[in-house]
Amino acid sequence: KNEVEQSPQNLTAQEGEFITINCSYSVGISALHWLQQHPGGGIVSLFMLSSGKKKHGRLIATINIQEKHSSLHITASHPRDSAVYICAVREYGNKLVFGAGTILRVKS
Amino acid sequence: DVKVTQSSRYLVKRTGEKVFLECVQDMDHENMFWYRQDPGLGLRLIYFSYDVKMKEKGDIPEGYSVSREKKERFSLILESASTNQTSMYLCAGDSGLNQPQHFGDGTRLSIL
Repeated sequence: KNEVEQSPQNLTAQEGEFITINCSYSVGISALHWLQQHPGGGIVSLFMLSSGKKKHGRLIATINIQEKHSSLHITASHPRDSAVYICAVREYGNKLVFGAGTILRVKS
Repeated sequence: DVKVTQSSRYLVKRTGEKVFLECVQDMDHENMFWYRQDPGLGLRLIYFSYDVKMKEKGDIPEGYSVSREKKERFSLILESASTNQTSMYLCAGDSGLNQPQHFGDGTRLSIL
């Protein structure tokens, strides 16, 4: 079993829909990261959080430390949100452990 | 703007060649990382370095080595390239615990 599990693996949505991507992990962590990767592009850090909730524009990330679960929400989705979204956790050390990613496609 | 720069976006090499992938950062990061990314497997850590001349094996170090002679530069070396090393390679850096990692644009390496 992977230490970091993401769901769904693939997601297709219509423009304007509210989107949720989930991440569950099985280890103790110091922080959880949400990353975005566009086709052919590099990876951009969206959020880093260790408790509660963070918001940036139409993106919201939440984490429940007790349940070892995090969600990434996209409100009013747009085709430019189409990308791979990756959850990663930092254990109590230098390394990140990554989920396999969620491929999101938003259709207009 | 902070930058992690990988020397090549695309690279094609032959089996048995020695391959160098270069990564340079201008952010004064202590930590630097090399990952490979394959479909369905996500990012896997090959090696990382937490200081000049220091290196630690990641999850899949076999067939690779690294060099960090200066703080800003972290090189990944494929000693004798094989076809199963065809992949996307990503370099990243950060300044320690609870800091975001900054990634390069990746090098898509094909070994023929």
